[in-house]
Amino acid sequence: AQKVTQAQTEISVVEKEDVTLDCVYETRDTTYYLFWYKQPPSGELVFLIRRNSFDEQNEISGRYSWNFQKSTSSFNFTITASQVVDSAVYFCALITTSGTYKYIFGTGTRLKVLA
Amino acid sequence: DTGVSQDPRHKITKRGQNVTFRCDPISEHNRLYWYRQTLGQGPEFLTYFQNEAQLEKSRLLSDRFSAERPKGSFSTLEIQRTEQGDSAMYLCASSSFVGSSHDQPQHFGDGTRLSIL
Repeated sequence: AQKVTQAQTEISVVEKEDVTLDCVYETRDTTYYLFWYKQPPSGELVFLIRRNSFDEQNEISGRYSWNFQKSTSSFNFTITASQVVDSAVYFCALITTSGTYKYIFGTGTRLKVLA
Repeated sequence: DTGVSQDPRHKITKRGQNVTFRCDPISEHNRLYWYRQTLGQGPEFLTYFQNEAQLEKSRLLSDRFSAERPKGSFSTLEIQRTEQGDSAMYLCASSSFVGSSHDQPQHFGDGTRLSIL
């Protein structure tokens, strides 16, 4: 079965704190892709990052960093020095393409950054 | 790049009526996807097109739902005989197509919010 679990429903932090959003996935496929999307209050999903199953390199982009660990089937997202504008719902997603196409989103983590 | 646009933004209708939504993808994107999102949930995949061909349909897509992309550009999603459970945000996304993979990021529209009275 293919599944994405975002166990944290809602997280509140104070501005400038670091925060990590967890994502755990399940798949039997050896080739798959993982994504993070941001959904601000305006509603439009915004692409943040993509990883394929063969690339376990962690990535840093400004205040954002991602930690991909196949051994634990996790693809966690850290925001350093959070800002109020980071307040949004963040979705982790898994794509597998063996057999039928599957694009599976987690239930999302709502991040509230308080001034 | 004008982004993905969806019309209307909000649709209110009575149970049993038919509704149609439109999605205009980013012009150079040949893949187009439809999702449904309910409150507190992530988007659920409904169907996708590569150019004008509908290549995959989720089991969520009952017989009352039909999607088309007649010229490989804009797409329409029609729901016939709407039910209360159809109330949701309907999202459209598009992406480019490289080889046979689905690893290109999807660009989402603002969605159409459907409310069934």
